Amino acid sequence: DGGITQSPKYLFRKEGQNVTLSCEQNLNHDAMYWYRQDPGQGLRLIYYSQIVNDFQKGDIAEGYSVSREKKESFPLTVTSAQKNPTAFYLCASRGPGGNTIYFGEGSWLTVV
Amino acid sequence: AQSVTQLGSHVSVSEGALVLLRCNYSSSVPPYLFWYVQYPNQGLQLLLKYTSAATLVKGINGFEAEFKKSETSFHLTKPSAHMSDAAEYFCAVRGSNFGNEKLTFGTGTRLTIIP
Repeated sequence: DGGITQSPKYLFRKEGQNVTLSCEQNLNHDAMYWYRQDPGQGLRLIYYSQIVNDFQKGDIAEGYSVSREKKESFPLTVTSAQKNPTAFYLCASRGPGGNTIYFGEGSWLTVV
Repeated sequence: AQSVTQLGSHVSVSEGALVLLRCNYSSSVPPYLFWYVQYPNQGLQLLLKYTSAATLVKGINGFEAEFKKSETSFHLTKPSAHMSDAAEYFCAVRGSNFGNEKLTFGTGTRLTIIP
């Protein structure tokens, strides 16, 4: 089936550790995005990438890093510099010339 | 620059009653507008979108929205609520100018259906 796959669904991290969230899409989409969702705040853009080997900071990039080595993959690393990382993280993608952004099922990250 | 305001973080309606979820936008260029629905613990699913064609847009599950430029609004409606409509709804805006990749979301409206 075509779609966007995020893994893991649930992840626990100790303070001071880096953690990487996976996002894979088989839709042949060029653009990919990472959003963070907190209760009552809607979704906020962390990073986005329009093509392979290129990415741009969004509104809340501090404490996060990404890579785009392959068209189908856009992993997000939550570093120890991120002060409040507990949140729901959503990956998304958009096809060439398309207006619609499609979302994966999300990953819950909890810092313990 | 662009922004979205969703009036009412919680809305409750009786089953069978009209659903009205409000969204007002601000955009420095002609906008593209979207409504997404999110069920608990899941990603976002596109309900409908406005991309400068017809101002009345019909989406999935019986929802529709009307783009009103004079009021800078894109309210979501459904004539008769169903229990399965209980979810959180997000309005979003993106500029239609080339290269604009940023989709800006409202803070969401949680819809509760009263049996």
